[in-house]
Amino acid sequence: DTGVSQDPRHKITKRGQNVTFRCDPISEHNRLYWYRQTLGQGPEFLTYFQNEAQLEKSRLLSDRFSAERPKGSFSTLEIQRTEQGDSAMYLCASSGTSGRARETQYFGPGTRLLVL
Amino acid sequence: GQSLEQPSEVTAVEGAIVQINCTYQTSGFYGLSWYQQHDGGAPTFLSYNALDGLEETGRFSSFLSRSDSYGYLLLQELQMKDSASYFCAGNYGGSQGNLIFGKGTKLSVKP
Repeated sequence: DTGVSQDPRHKITKRGQNVTFRCDPISEHNRLYWYRQTLGQGPEFLTYFQNEAQLEKSRLLSDRFSAERPKGSFSTLEIQRTEQGDSAMYLCASSGTSGRARETQYFGPGTRLLVL
Repeated sequence: GQSLEQPSEVTAVEGAIVQINCTYQTSGFYGLSWYQQHDGGAPTFLSYNALDGLEETGRFSSFLSRSDSYGYLLLQELQMKDSASYFCAGNYGGSQGNLIFGKGTKLSVKP
């Protein structure tokens, strides 16, 4: 088990472009979460999947953001028509579904996005 | 909405004990987690409290008091490598488990 991986680690894009990030969770984990973190702040919840079902989206999540987890394994997060305010670290986490496993989220290294 | 408050910075010396406090809003609250994050790194799980009381894991302990809407992380025998940001995170999603994080406490350990 290699932990949660994310790709790419860094992305620089111009305002208005679309970007897509990938997250590969720990293989036996059913739950997958996306967070966004800006400098000096804690991670902010974006959305969450259990298997392939997207069960919750933050009300803060703009319509420009969409996430998928088509086969219940890896997930993608797409941002359309990027804005400078989207510049942040995008973190993915995964966990099990019951008891202590559910309460322990394992985070990936993140994708750092810079929108010029 | 839900929010968690914690001090922005704490400084301590090697070998000392430091306590990082966290207060939270009670509406919808299920439990309190603590995460450590080194500069440039990913958050790493430290502990979770669903019930009142103390949970001990090596040099780190975490405490929760539901009646006071308060918890803390206690770090003992501080080492230089403990210099990092520490986040308390509230579970407001119940069985869903999505977390609301505080803004973090930057701990600096001095020799």
